[in-house]
Amino acid sequence: AQSVTQLDSHVSVSEGTPVLLRCNYSSSYSPSLFWYVQHPNKGLQLLLKYTSAATLVKGINGFEAEFKKSETSFHLTKPSAHMSDAAEYFCVVSFNFGNEKLTFGTGTRLTIIP
Amino acid sequence: GAVVSQHPSRVICKSGTSVKIECRSLDFQATTMFWYRQFPKQSLMLMATSNEGSKATYEQGVEKDKFLINHASLTLSTLTVTSAHPEDSSFYICSARPGQGYGYTFGSGTRLTVV
Repeated sequence: AQSVTQLDSHVSVSEGTPVLLRCNYSSSYSPSLFWYVQHPNKGLQLLLKYTSAATLVKGINGFEAEFKKSETSFHLTKPSAHMSDAAEYFCVVSFNFGNEKLTFGTGTRLTIIP
Repeated sequence: GAVVSQHPSRVICKSGTSVKIECRSLDFQATTMFWYRQFPKQSLMLMATSNEGSKATYEQGVEKDKFLINHASLTLSTLTVTSAHPEDSSFYICSARPGQGYGYTFGSGTRLTVV
């Protein structure tokens, strides 16, 4: 079975300060991990993905995430928050083979304080 | 990059009527597409996996006869909400990917309101 836990339902940071959105996963097999962003009433946009290559993954808009197998974590970070980063963020896990079913975390709402 | 187009973006219908939502992969072929439902301020819940040329696979608790899925071609999957009721009002999103190693691309979603 696979699952994903987003430890914070809501994170607030000041503009220009670092962002950390936490994600822990559970998977019986080698996982693929993704971070998606969703703006209000919009679909989801892929920020970055990990599929068993480099453990430090760089994504769009300055975001990056590090896959840590020993900690079963895939936290999302950004050095300096921008107002446009305010949105809902989802951590997602799937298997690397076989069933492609995605399992979503419950989401983290990121608020940027001017 | 891979693009998934979903239509309509917003629909209002009367109770008892049916609504069809289309999901198209514009620049790749998708043998598998996924349909999700999202309630306000909640995460996405997988409803069903749409398989080209065969029956869809539904998640536990999802009514097959209410949420009809058809995947007649490699670029099109449709979700029909039959005999809609107000409790079916939700945000429906489809997704697909070109293949292993790619990220999943999501449609822009359909806001369904049943009155």
